[in-house]
Amino acid sequence: QSVLTQPPSASGTPGQRVTISCSGSSSNIGSSYVCWYQQLPGTAPKLLIYRNNQRPSGVPDRFSGSKSGTSASLAISGLRSEDEADYYCAAWDDSLSGWVFGGGTKLTVV
Amino acid sequence: EVKLVESGGGLVQPGRSLRLSCAASGFTFDDYAMHWVRQAPGKGLEWVSGVSWNSGSIAYADSVKGRFTISRDNAKNSLYLQMNSLRAEDTALYYCAKGYSSSSLDDAFDVWGQGTMVTVSS
Repeated sequence: QSVLTQPPSASGTPGQRVTISCSGSSSNIGSSYVCWYQQLPGTAPKLLIYRNNQRPSGVPDRFSGSKSGTSASLAISGLRSEDEADYYCAAWDDSLSGWVFGGGTKLTVV
Repeated sequence: EVKLVESGGGLVQPGRSLRLSCAASGFTFDDYAMHWVRQAPGKGLEWVSGVSWNSGSIAYADSVKGRFTISRDNAKNSLYLQMNSLRAEDTALYYCAKGYSSSSLDDAFDVWGQGTMVTVSS
């Protein structure tokens, strides 16, 4: 059971906007930056969002992150078939003195 | 090109040891914190351990504390994970990941290797 809670699955049609939620507590999301990773099938994870809402160079602005209190969310607009992947949220946990991940959300583009 | 290449994985019996290595290139290795993250087959990501640029800050997940030791050799641009007393539940693909900042372990991982598989079984 993961410390951060994500829905196991999400889906959308091409062009649609989808959001993936991530719920934590005061010791992780509530007091630390949140980041998001995309893992395409058979590949290593890739950083999508860091420090709650910052995009690394090369990540399209279709991807955006936000945080409020002990929850965070990832939004993907203009959904494309190549966005089909697993998405993970993560945050530093002050109580555990380590990183915690969400269980991952499998996004399907139907 | 920024690159991380892991090695050292394999099949090992429960209770035995294994040492993973991660060779870094394309960036100033001793400017950044480094981490190990693992993924059991068909499962999600689990952070294992992290080390700051000068090894002054080191942290471990509770699941490996006391059994695993992270280290780095900045002269060789290399990161290591010494894994002792291995258990079946340590079976996973182990990724090496670069931290976004140098001293802080609590910043995101912006570069990942392709991973090395560790299988613990008799």
